Amino acid sequence: DGGITQSPKYLFRKEGQNVTLSCEQNLNHDAMYWYRQDPGQGLRLIYYSQIVNDFQKGDIAEGYSVSREKKESFPLTVTSAQKNPTAFYLCASSPTSGRGYGELFFGEGSRLTVL
Amino acid sequence: AQSVTQLDSHVSVSEGTPVLLRCNYSSSYSPSLFWYVQHPNKGLQLLLKYTSAATLVKGINGFEAEFKKSETSFHLTKPSAHMSDAAEYFCVVSDRYSSASKIIFGSGTRLSIRP
Repeated sequence: DGGITQSPKYLFRKEGQNVTLSCEQNLNHDAMYWYRQDPGQGLRLIYYSQIVNDFQKGDIAEGYSVSREKKESFPLTVTSAQKNPTAFYLCASSPTSGRGYGELFFGEGSRLTVL
Repeated sequence: AQSVTQLDSHVSVSEGTPVLLRCNYSSSYSPSLFWYVQHPNKGLQLLLKYTSAATLVKGINGFEAEFKKSETSFHLTKPSAHMSDAAEYFCVVSDRYSSASKIIFGSGTRLSIRP
């Protein structure tokens, strides 16, 4: 089935450690996104990419890094520079043209807890 | 600039009664509008979308929304609530003539269903 796969679903990290969250899609979408969601709040954009080997910072990029070496993959690294990394992270993809433009397809999310 | 306002952070209805979740938007151009639903610890799922075709849009699970340009509204309704409708709902606006990054989320409305 076509869709977006995020892993791991749950992740625990000690302070000072970097962690990488995986996001893979087989929808052939050009654009991919990472959002952060805190309890009782909406979604905030961390990074997005509209094409392979190119990505842009979103509203809260500090302490995070990404890569886009393949169309299907958009991993997010939460670095030790991120002061408050405990959150629910959502990856999404979308077409950049055609009838589906602007519609986001989401993964199931990854919950990161810093111990 | 685009913006979206969900007028209620929490709505509680009895099972079998109508649901109304309110959303107002601001957009300089022709907007695309979406409603997504999120169950606890899950990703977001598209309920319905408006992309300049019919102003009354029907979605999944009996939900529908009406695009009213004069009122800049896109309220979500359902004639009869079911217990399984309890979730968080997000109204989203995107500008079809801007980059794929210009996707704006509302802050969400938590829908509770009373037995």
